[in-house]
Amino acid sequence: QVTLKESGPVLVKPTETLTLTCTVSGFPLSNGRVGVSWIRQPPGKALEWLAHIFSNDEKSYSTSLKSRLTISKDTSKSQVVLTMTNMDPVDTATYYCARLDEWLAFDYWGQGTLVTVSS
Amino acid sequence: SYELTQPLSVSVALGQTARITCGGNNIGSKNVHWYQQKPGQAPVLVIYRDSNRPSGIPERFSGSNSGNTATLTISRAQAGDEADYYCQVWDSSTASYVFGAGTKVTVL
Repeated sequence: QVTLKESGPVLVKPTETLTLTCTVSGFPLSNGRVGVSWIRQPPGKALEWLAHIFSNDEKSYSTSLKSRLTISKDTSKSQVVLTMTNMDPVDTATYYCARLDEWLAFDYWGQGTLVTVSS
Repeated sequence: SYELTQPLSVSVALGQTARITCGGNNIGSKNVHWYQQKPGQAPVLVIYRDSNRPSGIPERFSGSNSGNTATLTISRAQAGDEADYYCQVWDSSTASYVFGAGTKVTVL
């Protein structure tokens, strides 16, 4: 049974760095053709893809946010970590992690975690 | 960067057919995936690779993709189909995953 679960702070201050953790189960992060992405959704708005990491540790980032994002994984802990620097109120959103399948579709999603950026 | 265009909203009478479009330049050459998102919930994959249904998704959901338009069709619409629907593709030119702006489906 594949599951993903996000964890991290619910509130961060402007200019701070956000660190989110996605803990997965039911599939290995170390092999296969799948990977894990981070996707966010501001309240009432559309989904926005942020970053992805493959099992071979290859990474990709949203062009518009690349300078602020870092994605990494700890295979031994079955975790994928996203850091986003210089947080701003416009970054207030629900942040999801999701598994990418062989067809480049997100077949399993975490429940999401709402992060609010406010002083 | 690659852009996907979806109508803001679609209304459908109970039991009738809803069609949600996703427009993009030569989108027919890409694999298109569709997600259903109900309020307060995470998205759920309902169609992958243009027209394939994951396990557990009703046959009422179908998809097609050709030219500059991909379409998600919901047959015999039910009240439980009310949700936001998003299309998504992989853009090889920017190595990024692109979502449409979403379509709100209302069942009347």
